Amino acid sequence: DTGVSQDPRHKITKRGQNVTFRCDPISEHNRLYWYRQTLGQGPEFLTYFQNEAQLEKSRLLSDRFSAERPKGSFSTLEIQRTEQGDSAMYLCASSPPTGQGDYGYTFGSGTRLTVV
Amino acid sequence: AQKVTQAQTEISVVEKEDVTLDCVYETRDTTYYLFWYKQPPSGELVFLIRRNSFDEQNEISGRYSWNFQKSTSSFNFTITASQVVDSAVYFCALSGTSLGGGADGLTFGKGTHLIIQP
Repeated sequence: DTGVSQDPRHKITKRGQNVTFRCDPISEHNRLYWYRQTLGQGPEFLTYFQNEAQLEKSRLLSDRFSAERPKGSFSTLEIQRTEQGDSAMYLCASSPPTGQGDYGYTFGSGTRLTVV
Repeated sequence: AQKVTQAQTEISVVEKEDVTLDCVYETRDTTYYLFWYKQPPSGELVFLIRRNSFDEQNEISGRYSWNFQKSTSSFNFTITASQVVDSAVYFCALSGTSLGGGADGLTFGKGTHLIIQP
């Protein structure tokens, strides 16, 4: 396993279009997170899955955003009716069950979204 | 609510100098975790360290060291004998008791852009 994979690396879309990103976590990690990072800022938490259950959602996650992790493995993040303010880097991270491993969250390289 | 403050937006030093990156945090949790991540120009966040709130021992890993002081709510990061490859944005982060992130996930500071000049 080579780490957390995100696809695509870059996405340019027109305002109003829908986009979907994919994250493949480290296989033995049951926890998966989505973060958003805008230029010059630290990542901001969006949502968290434990296995297939979405346990937490940030107030940043408007109703245009939806995330799924149907089989407890990969996850998708969809943004509907994109707006220019959605332009950001979307980061996925995974972590092992509590008590297993001491290396914190592992982040992917992110998907950079540009809405024009 | 949790908050992480990295007051230094950018630091520039000459190679081989020592440099300290400051991190101050706020939380109401009695049990929490503190992290440092490195983000090189490639964009990927690289995990450096995790420290829980009950362990105030300083830690050293090669040229890196961390000073956790609960009394001042600080978790500072020092690079000794800096190298050009250390140039990156460094983030301090805080999570709550669940380690799943609590109600707000990992809370990151705004980062410190470290520039090491040859």
